[in-house]
Amino acid sequence: DIQMTQSPSSLSASVGDRVTITCRASQSIRTYLNWYQQKPGKAPNLLIYAASSLQSGVPSRFSGSGSGTDFTLTISSLQPEDFATYYCQHTYTPPLTFGGGTKVDIK
Amino acid sequence: HVQLVQSGAEVKKPGASVKVSCKASGYTFTNYYLHWVRQAPGQGLEWMGIINPSGGGVSYVEKFQGRVTLTLDTSTSTVYMELTSLKFEDTAMYYCARDGASTVATIAGPYDWGQGTLVTVSS
Repeated sequence: DIQMTQSPSSLSASVGDRVTITCRASQSIRTYLNWYQQKPGKAPNLLIYAASSLQSGVPSRFSGSGSGTDFTLTISSLQPEDFATYYCQHTYTPPLTFGGGTKVDIK
Repeated sequence: HVQLVQSGAEVKKPGASVKVSCKASGYTFTNYYLHWVRQAPGQGLEWMGIINPSGGGVSYVEKFQGRVTLTLDTSTSTVYMELTSLKFEDTAMYYCARDGASTVATIAGPYDWGQGTLVTVSS
């Protein structure tokens, strides 16, 4: 099975900060990677699919990059509504493993 | 628009079974895979398995093999997840989610999610 490792597991940031979250796969997954945002008590919400494509309705301050084994989710200017937990997930082949998550909270 | 409506919360004893339903609407049911994902309290997301509504083919995470069964009723556009031999550690929110690819020839990952069903295992 492909393992997904996210870092950091948590971070504190201020409104307006640029935030970067990384996700590493245990083998090449080409660009078969999604990013999700989850707020407390809610279902996850898809932000980025295929490593770098922005899901419809998601603000352009979110972007994704990477291929192979190393991927990045960037929030260019953190907004109050962005404080949440973020997960990566590979979609290369089942089982479609999630990363452990990155909790972004207020500094 | 796409809707996935799951059945209500369940409380079960260890060793029992639970069957959670997920009723889909707003799209052609047989064109999209359906995923099941769970989340224990305060923990991360765990992908459990996937079902192909066109034919019923399934794939499960190995740790659930023998305990989880995904089935479907195409007449009502409903998918079921049954988990048997429940343990305390199966206490979690269980989500169904529709895949993003509009063909079962490929898998894009969960795009549209149900509201979740809380399953509590307690003696």
